[in-house]
Amino acid sequence: DSGVTQTPKHLITATGQRVTLRCSPRSGDLSVYWYQQSLDQGLQFLIQYYNGEERAKGNILERFSAQQFPDLHSELNLSSLELGDSALYFCASSVSTGSSYEQYFGPGTRLTVT
Amino acid sequence: KNQVEQSPQSLIILEGKNCTLQCNYTVSPFSNLRWYKQDTGRGPVSLTIMTFSENTKSNGRYTATLDADTKQSSLHITASQLSDSASYICVVSGAGGSYIPTFGRGTSLIVHP
Repeated sequence: DSGVTQTPKHLITATGQRVTLRCSPRSGDLSVYWYQQSLDQGLQFLIQYYNGEERAKGNILERFSAQQFPDLHSELNLSSLELGDSALYFCASSVSTGSSYEQYFGPGTRLTVT
Repeated sequence: KNQVEQSPQSLIILEGKNCTLQCNYTVSPFSNLRWYKQDTGRGPVSLTIMTFSENTKSNGRYTATLDADTKQSSLHITASQLSDSASYICVVSGAGGSYIPTFGRGTSLIVHP
């Protein structure tokens, strides 16, 4: 158990809908990262937040957005969902920002868009 | 374009045998290279991380090597166990202000009894 929690574990929704994925980082970690893992693309970095502020942006679509709240939990919002958005979404946390810090991954949310 | 290529794509070995996984990258400028182990349906777990000046890093039966000149890394697994069956992912981070990782597609390792 990494100490990072994600809810829900599974999500099934229809095209065009909007969903919110939630992540609680490990106690004491200030950085939160979001990743998408699909069969055809592998793992991709989406976005990073550090202490409430956006710190780095990867391959995140305009239909996706995220935020980190004062209690440091984070939410990833996915809208106008398409079949291709079906994937595992992971959240990770680290104590600070910078690629040298150990990242601890949550169990993931499996999103299925039908 | 930054790329990370891993080989082989998949590997099947017998329990107790050794194996070596490869990772070649074009990421520049280079900051660090990390190997992750990912069990099916679970989040990745970091095995090792190496910076430019490090050639070798061990974590139990896992030993990673880095040749920054040729932009190659390998992960050697000694005396494999059934629990080593997983996907092994190489991730290279570039140097600079922002965190921008480039992921390899992974090597799927199956250890048979």
